Amino acid sequence: DTGVSQDPRHKITKRGQNVTFRCDPISEHNRLYWYRQTLGQGPEFLTYFQNEAQLEKSRLLSDRFSAERPKGSFSTLEIQRTEQGDSAMYLCASSPPEGGYTFGSGTRLTVV
Amino acid sequence: GQNIDQPTEMTATEGAIVQINCTYQTSGFNGLFWYQQHAGEAPTFLSYNVLDGLEEKGRFSSFLSRSKGYSYLLLKELQMKDSASYLCAVRDYTGGFKTIFGAGTRLFVKA
Repeated sequence: DTGVSQDPRHKITKRGQNVTFRCDPISEHNRLYWYRQTLGQGPEFLTYFQNEAQLEKSRLLSDRFSAERPKGSFSTLEIQRTEQGDSAMYLCASSPPEGGYTFGSGTRLTVV
Repeated sequence: GQNIDQPTEMTATEGAIVQINCTYQTSGFNGLFWYQQHAGEAPTFLSYNVLDGLEEKGRFSSFLSRSKGYSYLLLKELQMKDSASYLCAVRDYTGGFKTIFGAGTRLFVKA
């Protein structure tokens, strides 16, 4: 296992378009998290899965954001009708039940 | 709610020791983490404290006082490559065991 993988690394999109990001966690980890990070800030929690169940979603996440983890393995994060304020680094992390996070390299989204 | 405070920036000299402080408020404390993040890269795990006291790992040590809501990260024998942001993060069991991050402390190591 090579760690947490995220795809794509970079995405530039026009305002109003939909984008989808993928995260492949460490296979033994049952917990998967999505965070968003802007320059000079710490990662901001978006949502969390335990196996295939989405257990929590931040109130900061509007209805334009949706995440899935259909078979308890990889996860996708979709943003519909992107806005310039969505520009950020989107980080995926996985963890065992009591452990610290292993982060992926992130997907940097730029909305123009 | 949850709140995590840490200094925005610190500067230290190569070979010296630096201490980065973190204070937190949370209703269901379940552990405190320190992560290192170099510019443009993802955070990497440094340390984990769930009980009071000092955890040492090579040049890095982390301390926790749960009664004071306080932690620090101690970096010894600073190297230029230690220039990075250091994120204090708290796991809260009332929030589904998610981890909340501080804004990070940018450490500049000068020669």
